[in-house]
Amino acid sequence: DIQLTQSPSFLSASVGDRVTITCRASQGISSHLAWYQQKPGKAPKLLIYAASTLQSGVPSRFSGSGSGTEFILTIRSLEPEDFATYYCQQVSVYPVTFGQGTRLEIK
Amino acid sequence: QVQLVESGGGVVQPGRSLRLSCAASGFTFSAYPMHWVRQAPGKGLEWVAVISSDGSTTYYAGSVKGRFTISRDNSKNTLYLQMNSLETEDTAVYYCARYYDISGLRWFDPWGQGTPVTVSS
Repeated sequence: DIQLTQSPSFLSASVGDRVTITCRASQGISSHLAWYQQKPGKAPKLLIYAASTLQSGVPSRFSGSGSGTEFILTIRSLEPEDFATYYCQQVSVYPVTFGQGTRLEIK
Repeated sequence: QVQLVESGGGVVQPGRSLRLSCAASGFTFSAYPMHWVRQAPGKGLEWVAVISSDGSTTYYAGSVKGRFTISRDNSKNTLYLQMNSLETEDTAVYYCARYYDISGLRWFDPWGQGTPVTVSS
């Protein structure tokens, strides 16, 4: 199975900060990576697919980059509603796998 | 609008069975593969199973293979997850999700609101 490792697992930041979350795959997955945001008690919400394509309706302060084994999610200027948990997901091969999550909290 | 609504969750004893349903609306259900994903309390997301648009092909996570069965009824726009021989480790919120796989671009969207399953004696 392909393992995804996110770093950091926990991130404390302030409104207006720029943050980056890294997702590393245990083997190459081309650009078959998606990012999701999840708030407590809610279903995950798609942010980015194909490593760098912003889902319709997602604010442009979110961006993704990378291919192969290293991927980055960047939030350019944090808004209060961005404080949540973020997951990467590989959809290259079955079984589909997720990173362990990055919890983004307000400093 | 596109919507997925899960149901069927509840409290069940170890070794017993439960069937989850996911009712789809707002899109052509029969055109899309569908997934189940679960999330144990306080934990991350774990993929469970996928079924092709016509129901002919399925894949499972190793942790549920042989115990869970994914199926669908395209005439009823409904996805199912039959869970047998339940274990305490199966306690989780179970989400269904629509799968996009177009020209090599792949993602899960939307997701249902989830249905909680608790396996406990």
